[in-house]
Amino acid sequence: KAGVTQTPRYLIKTRGQQVTLSCSPISGHRSVSWYQQTPGQGLQFLFEYFSETQRNKGNFPGRFSGRQFSNSRSEMNVSTLELGDSALYLCASSRTSGSSLRETQYFGPGTRLLVL
Amino acid sequence: KQEVTQIPAALSVPEGENLVLNCSFTDSAIYNLQWFRQDPGKGLTSLLLIQSSQREQTSGRLNASLDKSSGRSTLYIAASQPGDSATYLCAESSSGSRLTFGEGTQLTVNP
Repeated sequence: KAGVTQTPRYLIKTRGQQVTLSCSPISGHRSVSWYQQTPGQGLQFLFEYFSETQRNKGNFPGRFSGRQFSNSRSEMNVSTLELGDSALYLCASSRTSGSSLRETQYFGPGTRLLVL
Repeated sequence: KQEVTQIPAALSVPEGENLVLNCSFTDSAIYNLQWFRQDPGKGLTSLLLIQSSQREQTSGRLNASLDKSSGRSTLYIAASQPGDSATYLCAESSSGSRLTFGEGTQLTVNP
């Protein structure tokens, strides 16, 4: 069974641009969560999608948005990029969501975004 | 607001040593606690998941314990090997699928 895949793996953008990252979950998984990892803030939760609906959202500005498609693939978009958005963006998938979650989440390799 | 703290931030040990990594959390109303491993520049690999009703989980040379009343979890690594060198992260789930991570312990096992 293929793991979680993320594309692209590396990305360089300039301030003010926008970027779209993609995450394909493990087959049969319906929940996709996104995290931002930086040296200063560590791993921080962005949002979670389950069955095409946003279930949970972290404390990030509205420039960060996401969506999920009917095949459970998810995209996150960051508009008006800032230098501080440089980070490793990780997505994780699981079969279930919410308080019924009794299983581990499986993480992808991440997309490393550099904003110049 | 849930906070997760990991001690120590870094640890260097000789090969073959047994070691313990610590994780503490402020809110005891957790669903589960997970330990992950992260190699430099890579994603996270799940090591162990402990449900809130469980006290410990074991996988090979790894053993993780959970004490909800004290807000603590430990990851025990037996007979450490150079290949165990990585950053170890604990994460708690008290809000559905949302994980709150600690800052991690960077482990170096010297041959």
